[in-house]
Amino acid sequence: AQRVTQPEKLLSVFKGAPVELKCNYSYSGSPELFWYVQYSRQRLQLLLRHISRESIKGFTADLNKGETSFHLKKPFAQEEDSAMYYCALDMDSNYQLIWGAGTKLIIKP
Amino acid sequence: NAGVTQTPKFRVLKTGQSMTLLCAQDMNHEYMYWYRQDPGMGLRLIHYSVGEGTTAKGEVPDGYNVSRLKKQNFLLGLESAAPSQTSVYFCASSYSPDRGETQYFGPGTRLLVL
Repeated sequence: AQRVTQPEKLLSVFKGAPVELKCNYSYSGSPELFWYVQYSRQRLQLLLRHISRESIKGFTADLNKGETSFHLKKPFAQEEDSAMYYCALDMDSNYQLIWGAGTKLIIKP
Repeated sequence: NAGVTQTPKFRVLKTGQSMTLLCAQDMNHEYMYWYRQDPGMGLRLIHYSVGEGTTAKGEVPDGYNVSRLKKQNFLLGLESAAPSQTSVYFCASSYSPDRGETQYFGPGTRLLVL
């Protein structure tokens, strides 16, 4: 069955340290993956998507089909990065996104 | 632009009561979605709509009904609320369902069923 796993419920790092939020997926087809973010008192919003191969707010994510992963990385964390991060999988020919449970990222000063 | 709005923000129901959650978007999006989010879990799709007058079931449709009478509005109904429907409900919309398309979310409705 299709599944998205974010193994860490909570990740706490110091400002300036590197950040890696893990996302693993289970899907036999060609995956399309997203990272969405929810800052405090704000709504869920797109951070970045695999198809665009973009870097947003210093974050990047590379799709590794061999390891079925789409980890989110940032070399130097900033306090404003504190938020909930969700990984989501878009499957072929389906309107449905499969969501991970989310990782709460806390950046300590 | 307000984007996606949801009404109400919070509601308490007794078991067996009914209610309707309203989602409205002003971005002229064709596609709209209702999700629920339970503690420790990812969002799960309840129903979705690919255009005015059309709706379809998602992953967890039981106990819910929806209607899309106007393009900008997507209503989620609970005919007889159950404690298992206690959750946070999110509405989203997108321009198209194409792969890689962004979904725009509302602020959420917190529902407690006693």
